[in-house]
Amino acid sequence: LAKTTQPISMDSYEGQEVNITCSHNNIATNDYITWYQQFPSQGPRFIIQGYKTKVTNEVASLFIPADRKSSTLSLPRVSLSDTAVYYCLVGDTYTSGTYKYIFGTGTRLKVLA
Amino acid sequence: DSGVTQTPKHLITATGQRVTLRCSPRSGDLSVYWYQQSLDQGLQFLIQYYNGEERAKGNILERFSAQQFPDLHSELNLSSLELGDSALYFCASSVTSGSGVGDTGELFFGEGSRLTVL
Repeated sequence: LAKTTQPISMDSYEGQEVNITCSHNNIATNDYITWYQQFPSQGPRFIIQGYKTKVTNEVASLFIPADRKSSTLSLPRVSLSDTAVYYCLVGDTYTSGTYKYIFGTGTRLKVLA
Repeated sequence: DSGVTQTPKHLITATGQRVTLRCSPRSGDLSVYWYQQSLDQGLQFLIQYYNGEERAKGNILERFSAQQFPDLHSELNLSSLELGDSALYFCASSVTSGSGVGDTGELFFGEGSRLTVL
């Protein structure tokens, strides 16, 4: 059963790079790794997704080692507006073979001035 | 704007009552997912529909039910409400079916329906 483990919370200062690591030891061959951002009282928003190696977009970078048992979300030069909960997500297969998308507890990032 | 529309945004009701939450997915998306988020809690997956059929079921109570209509909008019905049902209920949609193969898992979330049970 695919499951993710992330730090519960992190603090950072404006302008710093933040790295949030997610452990997913039982990731399946077909699973992509997806990260979402959620602000209070809003729905989660897609940040980045990857399968292996490194992916970069205008918001973040995602590093995935060869064994894919973990991934690291990197947020360059964070600002106060990056204060949010960040979820790491991998697919999870039911016995029927269909997927469900399980959000863990997420990492609550607080950016300080 | 994710393109996913949820109504109502806020709902206050009493214990024992029944409510219906509505979700319109993004244009072209066939899958609808429902999640519950209680205060300061993570997102709990409830149920998924794909093109009108139930696809996957999570931690959904027997008092709760859902369906997806031919126009692809979905409704989540919550009955015999209890205080503990107070939460944000999110709907998400995706293009893929959740079959796993080639499923990238990108979900688009609505802004949620906040249910308060008094």
